[in-house]
Amino acid sequence: AQTVTQSQPEMSVQEAETVTLSCTYDTSENNYYLFWYKQPPSRQMILVIRQEAYKQQNATENRFSVNFQKAAKSFSLKISDSQLGDTAMYFCAFMSSQGAQKLVFGQGTRLTINP
Amino acid sequence: NAGVTQTPKFRVLKTGQSMTLLCAQDMNHEYMYWYRQDPGMGLRLIHYSVGEGTTAKGEVPDGYNVSRLKKQNFLLGLESAAPSQTSVYFCASTLDSLNTEAFFGQGTRLTVV
Repeated sequence: AQTVTQSQPEMSVQEAETVTLSCTYDTSENNYYLFWYKQPPSRQMILVIRQEAYKQQNATENRFSVNFQKAAKSFSLKISDSQLGDTAMYFCAFMSSQGAQKLVFGQGTRLTINP
Repeated sequence: NAGVTQTPKFRVLKTGQSMTLLCAQDMNHEYMYWYRQDPGMGLRLIHYSVGEGTTAKGEVPDGYNVSRLKKQNFLLGLESAAPSQTSVYFCASTLDSLNTEAFFGQGTRLTVV
């Protein structure tokens, strides 16, 4: 079974700084998908970014980018020019390419952006 | 287009009571899921469905039952609630096996006392 580990329960940075959230995962599969979800206090789950394992190029979405290291099974999220609205829980998640599109989530990292 | 809607948003149950959580999606999605979110544990899959009339167990299915009688609805039942089922429950859906974007409901906070 796949597992996802986020080793940073909480992080805090100043507004406009860059912050990196860590995620490692374990799988024996070669093709899969990785995600970062944001959960603000409203509780809504918001997709931040997606990475396909067969693509070597790291995904980027505006201020959000990932560092995908397939051999090391590492998938970190970098937030540049952080904003107060980035304050939220962030979850790393794994999805197998085989069957049912089920998500396996990490424990989450609570990120606080300070003014 | 409402997306994924969960009913109710909040509920307090007494130990031993039963209840059903309703999830409805209007996007004609084939796959639907129920997750629970507990502090320090992320979201864990309870049950899922890959089509009308089909259901399957996820990672933490004990104490829950589900039904998918209509494609747009996925019901999660607690027959005899226990304090360990205090959690936030999320429903999600994806279009089919070729699409990876999951759409989530707004969550249901359930407290069992």
